[in-house]
Amino acid sequence: EAEVAQSPRYKITEKSQAVAFWCDPISGHATLYWYRQILGQGPELLVQFQDESVVDDSQLPKDRFSAERLKGVDSTLKIQPAELGDSAMYLCASSLGGTSGRQHEQFFGPGTRLTVL
Amino acid sequence: QQPVQSPQAVILREGEDAVINCSSSKALYSVHWYRQKHGEAPVFLMILLKGGEQKGHEKISASFNEKKQQSSLYLTASQLSYSGTYFCGTPWKAAGNKLTFGGGTRVLVKP
Repeated sequence: EAEVAQSPRYKITEKSQAVAFWCDPISGHATLYWYRQILGQGPELLVQFQDESVVDDSQLPKDRFSAERLKGVDSTLKIQPAELGDSAMYLCASSLGGTSGRQHEQFFGPGTRLTVL
Repeated sequence: QQPVQSPQAVILREGEDAVINCSSSKALYSVHWYRQKHGEAPVFLMILLKGGEQKGHEKISASFNEKKQQSSLYLTASQLSYSGTYFCGTPWKAAGNKLTFGGGTRVLVKP
């Protein structure tokens, strides 16, 4: 069964350092999402791609976060510099895209748990 | 604005039933339900796409009341495997797929 891949699974870094997370969505999924999930809360959307284009990054702290999906397949989320408050689970999800029905179903990857010391 | 889920947590004995509610202060176009087990990624359960629609997954079903801007998830004859945190997600607009998730409901099913 096709899955969303993410790496690394765990990352410990010191504040002010740069970190990067990678996501490979399910093949054929046009829409890719990056979420941040703080312990005990629901996922919060950071950025949404449709193919290689950003369609929504209104919740992305652009002074330190950046995301790209250059060829419309895999994606990288970067934080520079990392702050203590960035400690969270970073989830990647993908969906077929489109405007209706099961095309909206989002498949999540296992996530990257980031700890900033 | 994120949907509001209630209750925040529920403890059940195996075989008991529970209801989780998801309500919104704005119009609901659809409702997505996910379950997340500890340390794992959220897993899709079902989407409800129009008012009055009911769906089922195993012995988990859901209803969607557009008028009340509310959806309910029903855990029937709960099993140990139902333990986890349940999230509802709602799109920002009718044809959109950008979801805002509720705060989650933690479910613990005990033997």
